[in-house]
Amino acid sequence: GQSLEQPSEVTAVEGAIVQINCTYQTSGFYGLSWYQQHDGGAPTFLSYNALDGLEETGRFSSFLSRSDSYGYLLLQELQMKDSASYFCAVSGQAGTALIFGKGTTLSVSS
Amino acid sequence: DTGVSQDPRHKITKRGQNVTFRCDPISEHNRLYWYRQTLGQGPEFLTYFQNEAQLEKSRLLSDRFSAERPKGSFSTLEIQRTEQGDSAMYLCASSPPNMGTGGVDYGYTFGSGTRLTVV
Repeated sequence: GQSLEQPSEVTAVEGAIVQINCTYQTSGFYGLSWYQQHDGGAPTFLSYNALDGLEETGRFSSFLSRSDSYGYLLLQELQMKDSASYFCAVSGQAGTALIFGKGTTLSVSS
Repeated sequence: DTGVSQDPRHKITKRGQNVTFRCDPISEHNRLYWYRQTLGQGPEFLTYFQNEAQLEKSRLLSDRFSAERPKGSFSTLEIQRTEQGDSAMYLCASSPPNMGTGGVDYGYTFGSGTRLTVV
C-alpha cells in the first residue's frame, strides 16, 4: 500500500517563507508531485520530482530525498493568493495513478 | 482545447437513485483519471484509463461504481443505488502520454468536478 503524511495546517505572513513537508511510504516509487487547490477550485499541478534534489519554479521550489522517503514544497515571498491547500502525491510505478496526501491548508495573513 | 470539462457541475439525487457523470479530457491526453474528494481530504483515487482500456481500479471502490471510456475520448462514471456516503466532489483529470516516465512531467489537468449530494 501507499501512504503520505503532511501537516494539516500551516500559517504564515505575507513575504515570509514556508516549507510544507511530506513523508511517504510506497511499495514502489516513481516520483513526488505537488498540487495546489484553492477553495472551490480544482487541483492544479505545481511540480514533480523524480530524482533527489531541488527543483525551482519561480517562487516555488520542491525537494526530494528518495533515501529518506521525504520531500517538501518551499514557498517564498508569500502572497495572500497563496492561501490554499497543498497536496503531495506519489505514483508507485510508471503508468499508475497518483495517490494524494490529505493536504496542508496554508493560510497567509497580512 | 480549453481544458478538462465535467458535466454536470452539481447533482442532487435521492438515495437509491442512479447517477452518471461525464468527463471530456484534453484531446491530446490519452490518460484519464477519476477521483473523489470530500471536505478537508485529498483526492481519493477511483479508476484510471489509458485510451479506452481501464488499467487500474481502486480496491476500495464499491461494485456500485462503474466507469467507461468507450472510444478513448470522453468518459462516464456511473454510481448505482446511491448512498449518502457517496456525497462528494467527483474529479476527473487527464494527462499526456509522457506522464510518469521519471523525466519531464507536466502533471494532471483536473476538471472543475461534479458535486454530488445524496439526500
